[in-house]
Amino acid sequence: TQLLEQSPQFLSIQEGENLTVYCNSSSVFSSLQWYRQEPGEGPVLLVTVVTGGEVKKLKRLTFQFGDARKDSSLHITAAQPGDTGLYLCAGPKSGSGNTGKLIFGQGTTLQVKP
Amino acid sequence: NAGVTQTPKFQVLKTGQSMTLQCAQDMNHNSMYWYRQDPGMGLRLIYYSASEGTTDKGEVPNGYNVSRLNKREFSLRLESAAPSQTSVYFCASTLVPDTGELFFGEGSRLTVL
Repeated sequence: TQLLEQSPQFLSIQEGENLTVYCNSSSVFSSLQWYRQEPGEGPVLLVTVVTGGEVKKLKRLTFQFGDARKDSSLHITAAQPGDTGLYLCAGPKSGSGNTGKLIFGQGTTLQVKP
Repeated sequence: NAGVTQTPKFQVLKTGQSMTLQCAQDMNHNSMYWYRQDPGMGLRLIYYSASEGTTDKGEVPNGYNVSRLNKREFSLRLESAAPSQTSVYFCASTLVPDTGELFFGEGSRLTVL
């Protein structure tokens, strides 16, 4: 069974601190996505990584796809209260063809205190 | 832009009652999905539709039925609700499966007593 495991599950930090969230699997994924979800809303896509070793930056957020395409990380520099939310990684289910059937990690809840 | 619209946003049911969650998207996407979200479990796929008239099971289809009425609309029906179906349900759609952005609705919070 393909699984995506995120760590930590919960993170509470002060504004200005740096943090890293991990998304790990024993399975190879053709691509991985990161979503952010705020309370009462649906997830919103932050980034898609498709190449092993790929690094993408989105302002203060840096995303990395592992060389073996089994893991990914999200690093936030100088976190701000607006970064608060649930962060989810997701990848296509193996053998599902090009259907968009995604497997999601259980999520990391980030709280950034002013 | 409306994007993905779900109704109702909140619903309370008694065990054994039935209901339908409605979803519509205005982005001309072929692929649509129903997910459920439970604490500590991320999102799990219930059903998927690649196009009008076609549907396919996801990870947790038991107790649910779906209908892809046309390209815009994808409904989820609970025939006989159970407490285990208490959850937040999300409808989503995408233009490019697997690597494209999945657009989600705001969610429907369902409680089964």
